[in-house]
Amino acid sequence: NAGVTQTPKFQVLKTGQSMTLQCAQDMNHNSMYWYRQDPGMGLRLIYYSASEGTTDKGEVPNGYNVSRLNKREFSLRLESAAPSQTSVYFCANREGSESGSPLHFGNGTRLTVT
Amino acid sequence: RKEVEQDPGPFNVPEGATVAFNCTYSNSASQSFFWYRQDCRKEPKLLMSVYSSGNEDGRFTAQLNRASQYISLLIRDSKLSDSATYLCVVNPRGSTLGRLYFGRGTQLTVWP
Repeated sequence: NAGVTQTPKFQVLKTGQSMTLQCAQDMNHNSMYWYRQDPGMGLRLIYYSASEGTTDKGEVPNGYNVSRLNKREFSLRLESAAPSQTSVYFCANREGSESGSPLHFGNGTRLTVT
Repeated sequence: RKEVEQDPGPFNVPEGATVAFNCTYSNSASQSFFWYRQDCRKEPKLLMSVYSSGNEDGRFTAQLNRASQYISLLIRDSKLSDSATYLCVVNPRGSTLGRLYFGRGTQLTVWP
């Protein structure tokens, strides 16, 4: 079992370019999350999906969109990348938002926007 | 006040030492607590959940003090491989978005 798989692992974009970060899980968990991690800032929630077909904004949603088309996949899209979006992005899942269960993280995507 | 606060360290200890980290949380209705470990440029990995009665996993012991609203992590007989950043995570009861709150992490370096 791979758990939570993110692609790509690394990406360099020019300002204004768009891209989609992919995340897939094989754990059959309901909740999925996108975080970004910046030095000195800790992990910040971008978007959250409690279940297939539902999404909600987190702390820092501006400049991002998400899509949860099925239980397995939760993608994060940058429509027009900005240097401020240079960060490490982590996708995570969880059995259920009310279950008190822990998060399981993917390996991360390291994004640089020049 | 931040939801979760940790001393960022760094903590520098020799091999074999015992080291303890604390983490305070502001929401008294918090329900679930976890310690994660994060190695440099890697994803956070669950180290252990924290139970009300305290729990132990090998050299690691986690404690919860609801009255003072903090959790702690004790590492005994430190190994070089324990060098990492330790993140405290809190799940408030009834939080919106099923959201968990992360501390910014405590950096530990174990030296030979």
